[in-house]
Amino acid sequence: SQQGEEDPQALSIQEGENATMNCSYKTSINNLQWYRQNSGRGLVHLILIRSNEREKHSGRLRVTLDTSKKSSSLLITASRAADTASYFCASMTTDSWGKLQFGAGTQVVVTP
Amino acid sequence: GAVVSQHPSRVICKSGTSVKIECRSLDFQATTMFWYRQFPKQSLMLMATSNEGSKATYEQGVEKDKFLINHASLTLSTLTVTSAHPEDSSFYICSASALGGTPNEQFFGPGTRLTVL
Repeated sequence: SQQGEEDPQALSIQEGENATMNCSYKTSINNLQWYRQNSGRGLVHLILIRSNEREKHSGRLRVTLDTSKKSSSLLITASRAADTASYFCASMTTDSWGKLQFGAGTQVVVTP
Repeated sequence: GAVVSQHPSRVICKSGTSVKIECRSLDFQATTMFWYRQFPKQSLMLMATSNEGSKATYEQGVEKDKFLINHASLTLSTLTVTSAHPEDSSFYICSASALGGTPNEQFFGPGTRLTVL
């Protein structure tokens, strides 16, 4: 079963704007990961945040984790047309070693 | 490094036939491989976890006789969709965890699009 829910389901922004998407999960996690998927392609790993971390940065990406609310957010700053993709969070729960449970995904469209 | 390939990338078959999809770790040894399916505009659903040399563990609701998984070596896992039907049409994606690596890391293949006519 799907562990997480994401919102919004779809996001349309212009180049240069920031994009924020949220993910919620249900059970205790070991870590939470964000992936990007271009249409019809495989997944690209973006960033991993561990359960004892609250914020992490990687280039234009910023991820936060609030374990008390069982939620995470992904912020893409200064978006580019090439950021157009679907973004998924995936949680690795404490009782499912190595297995990822994916959220529903957010489809992001960045227009030039 | 850490490249996972899938073959074929696309397959179209007739209803009732069986289709085999290969997942290979090209530059590392994978103790564990995972198989997912993804319907259009939906998320990835984990189907099964396979460990080299042992039987695959299937997620609830996934028919093991329908989706045969073999993980015969540390670099190859195969998924065979037996007696395929149109409802099996989907995007199938594998991922692999490296031998000696952390369980946190999974490397994903590019996916295989299966269309059953």
